[in-house]
Amino acid sequence: AQSVTQPDIHITVSEGASLELRCNYSYGATPYLFWYVQSPGQGLQLLLKYFSGDTLVQGIKGFEAEFKRSQSSFNLRKPSVHWSDAAEYFCAVGGGGSQGNLIFGKGTKLSVKP
Amino acid sequence: DTEVTQTPKHLVMGMTNKKSLKCEQHMGHRAMYWYKQKAKKPPELMFVYSYEKLSINESVPSRFSPECPNSSLLNLHLHALQPEDSALYLCASSPLTERMKLFFGSGTQLSVL
Repeated sequence: AQSVTQPDIHITVSEGASLELRCNYSYGATPYLFWYVQSPGQGLQLLLKYFSGDTLVQGIKGFEAEFKRSQSSFNLRKPSVHWSDAAEYFCAVGGGGSQGNLIFGKGTKLSVKP
Repeated sequence: DTEVTQTPKHLVMGMTNKKSLKCEQHMGHRAMYWYKQKAKKPPELMFVYSYEKLSINESVPSRFSPECPNSSLLNLHLHALQPEDSALYLCASSPLTERMKLFFGSGTQLSVL
């Protein structure tokens, strides 16, 4: 069965510092992988996705993620964090049958120190 | 227009009430979804509609009744809910040619008293 693990529940970084959020997945075939961001009480905004091809994916707001098949990982990175990046981040894997059934990780809450 | 609009944004209802959540998109997407998100938890899929027909029901209790009256609208009818049904209900849509490209609405925060 598909699953997604985000090992870090809560991360705090200083503004301007670099960021890496970890995501590991379990999936039998080539996965469809996603990172979403959610501000409190809001919906989910897609940051980036990986379907195939180049394993380094660029997204919105200066985020990027790298697909590493050997490590079953899809970690999200940003070189310099802004205070407005404080939010909940969800990694997700596309479910079977390509029905738009996304399996989400439990999320990582990002706090940004001034 | 790349938005999925959900109304109302907040809803408080009693356990004997009947209410409906509404979702609308004008992107021409023919796949629409309901997700439920409990506090501090990830979203969980409830229903999927393809071409206005229900294609996935993730064993959701019958007190939740989805409806897709046309290609732009998706409703979720609520009846006899329990306090544990309190959650953020998210609607999403996607093109059928790129099902994994979900566009989410901002959700309806539901409280059941």
